[in-house]
Amino acid sequence: GAVVSQHPSRVICKSGTSVKIECRSLDFQATTMFWYRQFPKKSLMLMATSNEGSKATYEQGVEKDKFLINHASLTLSTLTVTSAHPEDSSFYICSARDVRDEQYFGPGTRLTVT
Amino acid sequence: DAKTTQPPSMDCAEGRAANLPCNHSTISGNEYVYWYRQIHSQGPQYIIHGLKNNETNEMASLIITEDRKSSTLILPHATLRDTAVYYCIVRVGPGNQGGKLIFGQGTELSVKP
Repeated sequence: GAVVSQHPSRVICKSGTSVKIECRSLDFQATTMFWYRQFPKKSLMLMATSNEGSKATYEQGVEKDKFLINHASLTLSTLTVTSAHPEDSSFYICSARDVRDEQYFGPGTRLTVT
Repeated sequence: DAKTTQPPSMDCAEGRAANLPCNHSTISGNEYVYWYRQIHSQGPQYIIHGLKNNETNEMASLIITEDRKSSTLILPHATLRDTAVYYCIVRVGPGNQGGKLIFGQGTELSVKP
């Protein structure tokens, strides 16, 4: 199946700093990319949907100025957590949809804010 | 997107079939049933999807009732590596851009020796 990568896989940062997470579709062009977050023992929560070259659409309750999403190309989307705080510590997972409308998930990024 | 209801947890003996049920009584005519699973601390993995006919692939079989209000995912010979959280999701299917995968709580399947 199609491969989606994320970088970094784990990151620890200090409170108040910003962290960027990259999501790449390695062997296909992603018409749409999605960002999810997951707290321990909870399900995935959709944060936002992004299409290449346009602004992301955020789910209700997700702060767009806090979670900046850039979808610069058909194979790359980035999520930047700005001014991170301990409550932003979570497992962030990206997903990419191909031209056949099939959706594939990355391995996730574990963010810990100290 | 329609919501789904799944049992929170199930056990299965290694080598036996695992049958995971899902209720989606409000499913719309253009919505497909998708199944994903998530092994601990990994991203979700696609398993199978279907509209109204039963489907089978190398991983599993999907049985959808005639009224489409429920479905069952079958892992024919469960192994310890099948221990994971299984998510049943309904969304508009291929060819209908715009549908989102909204995850419910899923079923935590434990395969025991």
